[in-house]
Amino acid sequence: DIQMTQSPSSLSASVGDRVTITCRASQSITSYLNWYQHKPGVAPKLLVYAASSLQSGVPSRFSGSGSGTDFTLTISSLQPEDFATYYCQQTFSVLPYTFGQGTKLEIK
Amino acid sequence: QVQLQESGPGLVKPSETLSLTCTVSGGSIRSYYWSWIRQPPGKGLEWIGYIFHDGSTNYNPSLKSRVTISADTTKNQISLKLTSVAAADTAVYYCARDPSNHGDHGWFDPWGQGTLVTVSS
Repeated sequence: DIQMTQSPSSLSASVGDRVTITCRASQSITSYLNWYQHKPGVAPKLLVYAASSLQSGVPSRFSGSGSGTDFTLTISSLQPEDFATYYCQQTFSVLPYTFGQGTKLEIK
Repeated sequence: QVQLQESGPGLVKPSETLSLTCTVSGGSIRSYYWSWIRQPPGKGLEWIGYIFHDGSTNYNPSLKSRVTISADTTKNQISLKLTSVAAADTAVYYCARDPSNHGDHGWFDPWGQGTLVTVSS
């Protein structure tokens, strides 16, 4: 399996802060990397697909970058509704698709 | 827009079969990949498997011997069966669509809200 490691596992930040979450793959996954936002009791939401493509309707303060093994999700100016858990996912290998362990973003 | 809703028993006994249905509204299940994903309490997300509208499937090797995913195009539903369940199968189960038409290299959007299944006697 391709292991996906996110850092940090949790993060405290304030409204207006710039936040970066990192995802590292155990082998190259080219650009087959997606980012999701998950709030309790709500369906997970796709933010970024194929490493850097912003999903339609997602605010432009979210951006993704990277290729190969190292990827980042950046929120340029945190809003109150952004406090959630964020997951990366690789779809380079279907045997199996794997997710990072999650990064919980909390209000400072 | 497309909406997904998972349904099924919230409690399953150990060694029995977990059966869930994902009902798709606002669009057809044809021409897309449909996945099941689960999240045990306090843990991360685990992909279970997918089905393409033509009936072809791919499963997580760790669950492959116990999983069957099927599709009913007449009812616009995707189903999950997981046999011989144990406490470790307790999780919120989600269904999701891959809208990408990128074969095995897509992404999941949208997801259903999920349904909690507890395995306990």
